[in-house]
Amino acid sequence: DAGITQSPRHKVTETGTPVTLRCHQTENHRYMYWYRQDPGHGLRLIHYSYGVKDTDKGEVSDGYSVSRSKTEDFLLTLESATSSQTSVYFCAISTLYNEQFFGPGTRLTVL
Amino acid sequence: TQLLEQSPQFLSIQEGENLTVYCNSSSVFSSLQWYRQEPGEGPVLLVTVVTGGEVKKLKRLTFQFGDARKDSSLHITAAQTGDTGLYLCAGALETSYDKVIFGPGTSLSVIP
Repeated sequence: DAGITQSPRHKVTETGTPVTLRCHQTENHRYMYWYRQDPGHGLRLIHYSYGVKDTDKGEVSDGYSVSRSKTEDFLLTLESATSSQTSVYFCAISTLYNEQFFGPGTRLTVL
Repeated sequence: TQLLEQSPQFLSIQEGENLTVYCNSSSVFSSLQWYRQEPGEGPVLLVTVVTGGEVKKLKRLTFQFGDARKDSSLHITAAQTGDTGLYLCAGALETSYDKVIFGPGTSLSVIP
């Protein structure tokens, strides 16, 4: 157990509304990641962080922003949600050899 | 375009049978992991391989990393219903070590 929690676990929202997902870790890991998982695509990296206030884009970053003001928290924001952002979102931390340890996921539905 | 390909995409077998899942790429990886994911949960790490040609065994699961570090395989002996799940391979590219690329997954169903 890598001590990763995500909130909320489920959310239904409407197109055009802002949404923020939170990832919290308790073990002081430097690297944190946000992925989305969709059928047929596996896990795709949205953004990641390599330290407080240090973030970089992944392969599907358009429409998403992130912030990391504390080591333990990594926030993912959808500024104006679209139906194409309906997905399951996973937060992860990494350890030696980039081994990923995942949170329980957030299921987001944009109507 | 997937940097990591997995085959087969779906696999349905009888309990007791053997199976192999493949993970292939044209890129070189500094390390490669296999994960298993059950419905409604996050992926769980099974193994990490880092040396070309490396073979690791985890009970009935055998993992192999290709000599050139571009491919890997997962072999399950005498599959059990508890092996059912989505198997994902993932690798850290030599050229981008702080990011991990995931394959699309192999969905395994073991029938009693």
